[in-house]
Amino acid sequence: NAGVMQNPRHLVRRRGQEARLRCSPMKGHSHVYWYRQLPEEGLKFMVYLQKENIIDESGMPKERFSAEFPKEGPSILRIQQVVRGDSAAYFCASSPLGRDEKLFFGSGTQLSVL
Amino acid sequence: GESVGLHLPTLSVQEGDNSIINCAYSNSASDYFIWYKQESGKGPQFIIDIRSNMDKRQGQRVTVLLNKTVKHLSLQIAATQPGDSAVYFCAVSEEEQLIFGQGTELSVKP
Repeated sequence: NAGVMQNPRHLVRRRGQEARLRCSPMKGHSHVYWYRQLPEEGLKFMVYLQKENIIDESGMPKERFSAEFPKEGPSILRIQQVVRGDSAAYFCASSPLGRDEKLFFGSGTQLSVL
Repeated sequence: GESVGLHLPTLSVQEGDNSIINCAYSNSASDYFIWYKQESGKGPQFIIDIRSNMDKRQGQRVTVLLNKTVKHLSLQIAATQPGDSAVYFCAVSEEEQLIFGQGTELSVKP
């Protein structure tokens, strides 16, 4: 049973470009969460999704950031017109039940904005 | 709102010694607690969890202690090994979401 898969592992973008981060949850998990982590800091919640629905996006910036979890395919975190401050590690997690249960994390995508 | 904090940002121990990492939380209604380990360049890895109806739970070389009276959680690692070097996060449930602490960096000296 494969774990949470994230790709790409590393992503380099120039300011103003778009970044797309993908996450495939563990098999059987229908709850997906995105977190951002800056160097030497904790995990900051961004968004919580179930299939085809955004449940909570309270941690996501109102502009330039969007997330989806379509019926088929991986969850996508999209960052438009990236700025240097977007540089961070972005982790996806999944769970089989609700959001206050054990989360299984992927290896993350390290986004670097030049 | 919830605040989750760790008492020490860094902890250095000698190989073979026991390690204790602490976590304080503020919401007395929190009923589920998890410890994660994050190695450099990797995602957080589940270590152990505990629910509020328990005050102690043991795993392989790890023990989690929960003191609801003072809202304190600790992770004990027995016979610490170099492979235990990582950042350890506590996560606390509050209003149907997990809140993560800042993390404690554990460094094991050979």
